[in-house]
Amino acid sequence: ILNVEQSPQSLHVQEGDSTNFTCSFPSSNFYALHWYRWETAKSPEALFVMTLNGDEKKKGRISATLNTKEGYSYLYIKGSQPEDSATYLCAFNTGTASKLTFGTGTRLQVTL
Amino acid sequence: KAGVTQTPRYLIKTRGQQVTLSCSPISGHRSVSWYQQTPGQGLQFLFEYFSETQRNKGNFPGRFSGRQFSNSRSEMNVSTLELGDSALYLCASSLKAGWNEQFFGPGTRLTVL
Repeated sequence: ILNVEQSPQSLHVQEGDSTNFTCSFPSSNFYALHWYRWETAKSPEALFVMTLNGDEKKKGRISATLNTKEGYSYLYIKGSQPEDSATYLCAFNTGTASKLTFGTGTRLQVTL
Repeated sequence: KAGVTQTPRYLIKTRGQQVTLSCSPISGHRSVSWYQQTPGQGLQFLFEYFSETQRNKGNFPGRFSGRQFSNSRSEMNVSTLELGDSALYLCASSLKAGWNEQFFGPGTRLTVL
């Protein structure tokens, strides 16, 4: 069984704060790491797909890094806004199949 | 470009019945995967279809089955429903099988009474 762990489970920050989450995964058989944002009553939205050790991706105020040798990825949000409130999920592929193994997510709440 | 659509959005069934859920992928996408989400369990992989062939199956009982049609639309079927099958069922599509970005639909909320 392959386990993906995310921490913290939940986070409550003020508008303007910067925050980061951690995703840990088994480093063997790694193929790709995905980050999703899932807002209530909406579809999960893909943020990043990363495949290479040392990968860094950025989309607006959100960025992510990847360390495949030690099996972790960080997601950073700079200057959090209320619209960033969502559950952030990471998931990884172990091969050429599309199967994603998900963590249980980090629930972020940003208040004014 | 239309996103992934799933029908129906909500469904209420009773134990012992069977149910069929439908997923239409983004136009041009040939890979469809299904996931189940239950409280406290996170998203669990059910199966993956590519070019009408099941490529991968998760750890679910044989009551869960699926298929994919030539237009890439996919259906999943659950027979002899149990209370524990109550969940949100999501499908995701991607251009091809593998590690590519997957696009999720809004899900079907199934309640088994």
